[in-house]
Amino acid sequence: EAGVTQSPTHLIKTRGQQATLRCSPISGHTSVYWYQQALGLGLQFLLWYDEGEERNRGNFPPRFSGRQFPNYSSELNVNALELEDSALYLCASSFRRTNQPQHFGDGTRLSIL
Amino acid sequence: GIQVEQSPPDLILQEGANSTLRCNFSDSVNNLQWFHQNPWGQLINLFYIPSGTKQNGRLSATTVATERYSLLYISSSQTTDSGVYFCAPKAGGTSYGKLTFGQGTILTVHP
Repeated sequence: EAGVTQSPTHLIKTRGQQATLRCSPISGHTSVYWYQQALGLGLQFLLWYDEGEERNRGNFPPRFSGRQFPNYSSELNVNALELEDSALYLCASSFRRTNQPQHFGDGTRLSIL
Repeated sequence: GIQVEQSPPDLILQEGANSTLRCNFSDSVNNLQWFHQNPWGQLINLFYIPSGTKQNGRLSATTVATERYSLLYISSSQTTDSGVYFCAPKAGGTSYGKLTFGQGTILTVHP
């Protein structure tokens, strides 16, 4: 069974540009979560989507946004990129709105020059 | 929101040694997961353990939810155990859905 897949693996952008990160959940999972791991800040919750709806949001500015598609895959969009957005972005998935474990992809490493 | 504290922050072991990592959390939880992050950044599920004790090979974990702590035991450590270990509980209420990660324990196992 395929795990959570994320693309691209690496992404290099410059300040002010926009970035789009993609995530495909494990088959049968309807919930997708996004986390940011910036140097020195640990892993922080960004967004949670379930069945196409945003269910919860972490303490991030509105230029971090996303969506979930009918096939449950998800996109994370970051607008007006800033240097401090450089981080590893991890996506996780789980079965729908239960306390089932979250399973993580290998991440997208976003570098802002 | 829920506060998560892991100890020790750093741990250096010789191969074959045993260790215990601790995770304290400030609120009641619906879920708790332990992860190992390898040097390539991959976050690997170790345990899903909201309460009780589980074992998987050389690793075991215990969560005492009423006392708000969880322990991860590593026995007969190997160099491949090196990396960062994270505890991540999930609370209810406004924290619904999200895992809150501790700062991690950096484990280094020398041959």
